[in-house]
Amino acid sequence: QSALTQPASVSGSPGQSITISCTGTSSDVGRYNYVSWYQHHPGKAPKLIIYDVSDRPSGVSNRFSGSKSGNTASLTISGLQAEDEADYYCSSYSAPSVFGAGTKLTVL
Amino acid sequence: EVQLVESGGALVQPGGSLRLSCAASGFTFGGYWMSWVRQAPGKGLEWVANIKEDGSQKYYVDSVKGRFTISRDNAKISLYLQMSSLRVEDTAMYYCARDRGWLQHDSWGQGTLVTVSS
Repeated sequence: QSALTQPASVSGSPGQSITISCTGTSSDVGRYNYVSWYQHHPGKAPKLIIYDVSDRPSGVSNRFSGSKSGNTASLTISGLQAEDEADYYCSSYSAPSVFGAGTKLTVL
Repeated sequence: EVQLVESGGALVQPGGSLRLSCAASGFTFGGYWMSWVRQAPGKGLEWVANIKEDGSQKYYVDSVKGRFTISRDNAKISLYLQMSSLRVEDTAMYYCARDRGWLQHDSWGQGTLVTVSS
């Protein structure tokens, strides 16, 4: 089972919006509406920021939004802030599940 | 507040064994599926195993089947991962995570480091 494909890095200035793509196949992202996104600051516990493609857990900023089209899911972060600088991972249910390799977000 | 605290990571030789533990607090542990997820150095996340609320169902990634065993003790509010026949490629940070369904993990610990090396 291959990992989902994410860009290795993205960057943006404070206040801007960025989008991270997550490309899978018809066996994972394209088949199930169970795509999740995680924010990971190195040395800390990963944090769930999006589940079921576009839902946000309680307490997660509405600056984070998720979507899906076909075999590709996307995470958009609007109004970039310095604290958003982290690694972001997508995951899809696929009986069992598969993660992306991660995207490093740099806030310039 | 949900808290998951892993322990038991260590340096171990190839072929060796190790048992990881995860102490949970702040939620009804027995009401959730639980998972172990790992991250090898410089790599992405990889789901390793999960276990049903009552321990009656367990699932594993193919690469650890027959070598790793996930278990839980709801009375002790703890999750475990027994690892044997360890390989260099098992070297990783191992995270304990709570599942909210369909292998989406809504709470994570900070991880415990397992290094397999001679």
